[in-house]
Amino acid sequence: ETGVTQTPRHLVMGMTNKKSLKCEQHLGHNAMYWYKQSAKKPLELMFVYNFKEQTENNSVPSRFSPECPNSSHLFLHLHTLQPEDSALYLCASSRDRQITNEKLFFGSGTQLSVL
Amino acid sequence: TQLLEQSPQFLSIQEGENLTVYCNSSSVFSSLQWYRQEPGEGPVLLVTVVTGGEVKKLKRLTFQFGDARKDSSLHITAAQPGDTGLYLCAGERQGAQKLVFGQGTRLTINP
Repeated sequence: ETGVTQTPRHLVMGMTNKKSLKCEQHLGHNAMYWYKQSAKKPLELMFVYNFKEQTENNSVPSRFSPECPNSSHLFLHLHTLQPEDSALYLCASSRDRQITNEKLFFGSGTQLSVL
Repeated sequence: TQLLEQSPQFLSIQEGENLTVYCNSSSVFSSLQWYRQEPGEGPVLLVTVVTGGEVKKLKRLTFQFGDARKDSSLHITAAQPGDTGLYLCAGERQGAQKLVFGQGTRLTINP
């Protein structure tokens, strides 16, 4: 138990569906992240939120829409996805946005399949 | 080409053997982290190294940061089936507040 909870654990959706991924952290951290993990590729940082404000968007397509209503919750809204978007989506949190020596706490991820 | 190259990509050995996995780059890093990810779970941080030449031990795991802070290694002594997993290195390049990950080494320890 890392203190970061993601739901659902598995999701299968069609290209015309709209779904949302949810992440909740119970660690009192100020920074939250969405990462994408595909087979044979390094973890890709998608979005960063610090004190509820988005501080980084790594050229992510607009079919992925993040939302951070407070420092403990992070959502990733999905719509009109493509099959190549199938991957493990990981949420993480850290005490502070500054990375040096900061420890990232990851959730278990949502395994997404787009048909 | 990736900023952090991990080798080997896959490694399968017998219980009790020793092994070393590598994380290499042409860039200098302020710090390097090693994570282990088990199937169905997210990565879990094992160690952070920040000083060139630094060696850290975690039970049977020994982590080393290169003198020039461009590479790191993870050595496991007397591997156990519980060591099975995906080992990821991640580093913060000097001057950039952004963590980049290697593609990982998938390690399997056979009983």
